Amino acid sequence: EVQLVESGGGLVHPGGSLRLSCAASGFTLSDHYVDWVRQAAGKGLEWVGRSRNKANSYTTEYAASVKGRFTISRDDSKNSLYLQMNSLKTEDTAVYYCSRVLVGPYYMDVWGKGTTVIVSS
Amino acid sequence: DVQMTQSPSTLSASVGDRVTITCRASQIINNNLAWCQQKPGKAPKVLIYKASNLESGVPSRFSGSGSGTEFTLTISSLQPDDFATYYCQQYNAYPVTFGQGTRLDIK
Repeated sequence: EVQLVESGGGLVHPGGSLRLSCAASGFTLSDHYVDWVRQAAGKGLEWVGRSRNKANSYTTEYAASVKGRFTISRDDSKNSLYLQMNSLKTEDTAVYYCSRVLVGPYYMDVWGKGTTVIVSS
Repeated sequence: DVQMTQSPSTLSASVGDRVTITCRASQIINNNLAWCQQKPGKAPKVLIYKASNLESGVPSRFSGSGSGTEFTLTISSLQPDDFATYYCQQYNAYPVTFGQGTRLDIK
């Protein structure tokens, strides 16, 4: 079964750091682009960033709201992807989803169930 | 950034109704538009991609249409499982952007 599973969420103080993981099963993650999308409680969906696939050198794109603070990386040996979040702000509090992006049509076809990040003092 | 504006924000309908949700982009997005459904506490699920292509496994009562900057999602005959929030999303340009969502309630 094709699946993505996020982990690593939790409570962190403003200014702190957290690393989220996105583990893939049922397919080879390195063949695909992967997006992170977040959703604050009661709010809509906000795109956070993208990691292109291995064929495109894992280059990345980020939303302006997180650029310079968040970094996406990969570990092919673990079929996983990571979101390193530094200098966290209260407004980063959200459920974070990773999603597979199909190369070619470039839409998000598979989503994980999400992991919750709470930034609070 | 490409702004995506959905209407209505809330829609009340009954089982069996035909409903339409509209999404307007602030610039041409070359039909690089997806629709997804989200239920409370769950991850979004894609329904439509490239404006009008039905994702595998999605019931045929869902359909998408439109071009340029105006797009619609239609549910031909509402089923109890369809009451949820719907989002449009453009993936033509960075940053990827979503509409604000349309909550579909039971009348």
